[in-house]
Amino acid sequence: KAGVTQTPRYLIKTRGQQVTLSCSPISGHRSVSWYQQTPGQGLQFLFEYFSETQRNKGNFPGRFSGRQFSNSRSEMNVSTLELGDSALYLCASSLSAHEQYFGPGTRLTVT
Amino acid sequence: GQQVMQIPQYQHVQEGEDFTTYCNSSTTLSNIQWYKQRPGGHPVFLIQLVKSGEVKKQKRLTFQFGEAKKNSSLHITATQTTDVGTYFCAAISGGGADGLTFGKGTHLIIQP
Repeated sequence: KAGVTQTPRYLIKTRGQQVTLSCSPISGHRSVSWYQQTPGQGLQFLFEYFSETQRNKGNFPGRFSGRQFSNSRSEMNVSTLELGDSALYLCASSLSAHEQYFGPGTRLTVT
Repeated sequence: GQQVMQIPQYQHVQEGEDFTTYCNSSTTLSNIQWYKQRPGGHPVFLIQLVKSGEVKKQKRLTFQFGEAKKNSSLHITATQTTDVGTYFCAAISGGGADGLTFGKGTHLIIQP
């Protein structure tokens, strides 16, 4: 089975812009979660989608949003980018019981 | 919200020495998971513990879940250079409303 894929792998944006990241889960996995990883804050949960519905949400501002499509693929969007949004954004898919399979991540740099 | 404290933040060991990382929570955990992230890589699931007092082994790795389900540990016997990376614990609270909460991780550095 193919693993979780994320596109793009690297991205450079300017403050104030917006960005959309994409994640394709493992075939058959209906749950997709997004995480932000930074050296200072570590891995922080953004949100989880299951069957196109947001099931859980972390403590991030409304500039961070996401969605899931009927084929379980997911996107996350960050609007009005700030320098502090520079991070590795990881997507993880799950079949059940919260065991997460992570993708390689998207490295976002905001200048 | 749910918080999971993990110590130590960094651990330097000589190759062949043992290594242990600890994870603690102030609240009872439904389960606890452990992940490993190699430098430049992404977290990879290692194991999930569910039962009070549970102990599981994977070759040189031993995972324990405390009796009160508030702490856990990962012990590596006779470390090898392939063990280098960051080890994270992750937990979901009994309510489950906040998704997975990760500890800050323990960076294992091995000196040959």
